[in-house]
Formats: sequence, C-alpha cells, structure tokens
Amino acid sequence: DADVTQTPRNRITKTGKRIMLECSQTKGHDRMYWYRQDPGLGLRLIYYSFDVKDINKGEISDGYSVSRQAQAKFSLSLESAIPNQTALYFCATSSRGLPWEQYFGPGTRLTVT
Amino acid sequence: GQQVMQIPQYQHVQEGEDFTTYCNSSTTLSNIQWYKQRPGGHPVFLIQLVKSGEVKKQKRLTFQFGEAKKNSSLHITATQTTDVGTYFCAEKDNAGNMLTFGGGTRLMVKP
Repeated sequence: DADVTQTPRNRITKTGKRIMLECSQTKGHDRMYWYRQDPGLGLRLIYYSFDVKDINKGEISDGYSVSRQAQAKFSLSLESAIPNQTALYFCATSSRGLPWEQYFGPGTRLTVT
Repeated sequence: GQQVMQIPQYQHVQEGEDFTTYCNSSTTLSNIQWYKQRPGGHPVFLIQLVKSGEVKKQKRLTFQFGEAKKNSSLHITATQTTDVGTYFCAEKDNAGNMLTFGGGTRLMVKP
C-alpha cells in the first residue's frame, strides 16, 4: 500500500463549487504539505502543517484553506473554485529531522470549468 | 522569498548522450535537494547536498553543489529512456521550514 494517498485522483467541478481534496499518510510523519503544480512553474507551496495544532500559509494560499484532522490526515479545500485553480495538486510529508526529504502522494488532477 | 532558477526548461537528447540541468540562486543556499518526476507520476526524492563543493554520485547521476553554495547541477552520463522525466531542484529555507522548488527541467530521450 502507498505511504501517502490522495483522494480523489481526478475531479472536474464547476466554478463556484466548494471542493475538498484529502490526503492520508501511514509514514508517521509530523509534517504535511500541499503543493500545486502548473506546467513550467514547478511546485508551489499552498499550506503546510508541522503538527495537528500548527497550520502555516505557503507561497500561494489565497483561495485555499486546510484542515489537519489528525497526524495522518491533511485536507485542502477550495471554498469557491475558479478556473485558474485548475492544476495538479500534491500532498507531501516529511519527518521532523534530517534529511527533510519529502514523500509525495500520487496527486489529484483538478479541473474547474 | 528565495527564488531558485532552473535551466534549461526542456532538453531533448539522443539515447546515450549526456544531460545536465542547472539550478541557480542569487542568495546562498542552506542545502539543495533534487527530485525526479516521471511522466504522469509524482516527485521522488533523489538526493540532498549540504556542504560547499559537495559532489555525490548515484550510478550515472552526478550531483554537485557549488563552492559558494549558490548553484547546483545534476549530470546524467549516457542517458537511457528510463531517465525520461522532469528533474527539480529544491532549496530549503533558512528557517528550515519550507522547500522552494525550481521550475524543473523536462528531459526527453530519443531511443
């Protein structure tokens, strides 16, 4: 079984709809992240959490919110989806100490029409 | 915030040719990580470089960290079709909290 799972894997939604992307991990890591990937722009950090009570904004948090329901679960919400939020979304985890390598989930492809 | 520039954006090579991608920053990097993303896949960690002038090898892959810790490179010797994918460098911020990714270099290998 995969260490980091994301649901759904693909989603098409309409402008203005609320949508939630979910991430679960079995690695026992404290740190979890949400990234967005657009062609040519690499991965950009949306939010990150270092434990259940710690939530931090990343580079591009506007239009997004997150919830850390448990150590193993970190969800990303788009309160009112817009077309320019069409992208590939990745969840990642890392341990507290070195080497801080991040383990990525398989991604969710979101299309907002 | 810190910015990491990666070049080239795309590279086509014939199988057997070498390939290099470069990662540059205007500020000193605390460390640099490299990831590979296969087409349709997710990024996978390759290596981390921490020391000035550090060189690490993984089979046909050679990773270097510049003496001034402002640049890094990934060199693949004698590319194979299995090397196809996008290679990202990523820099950890000074506080140790976040990774900032470069835009990636997409490698295509003609058999």
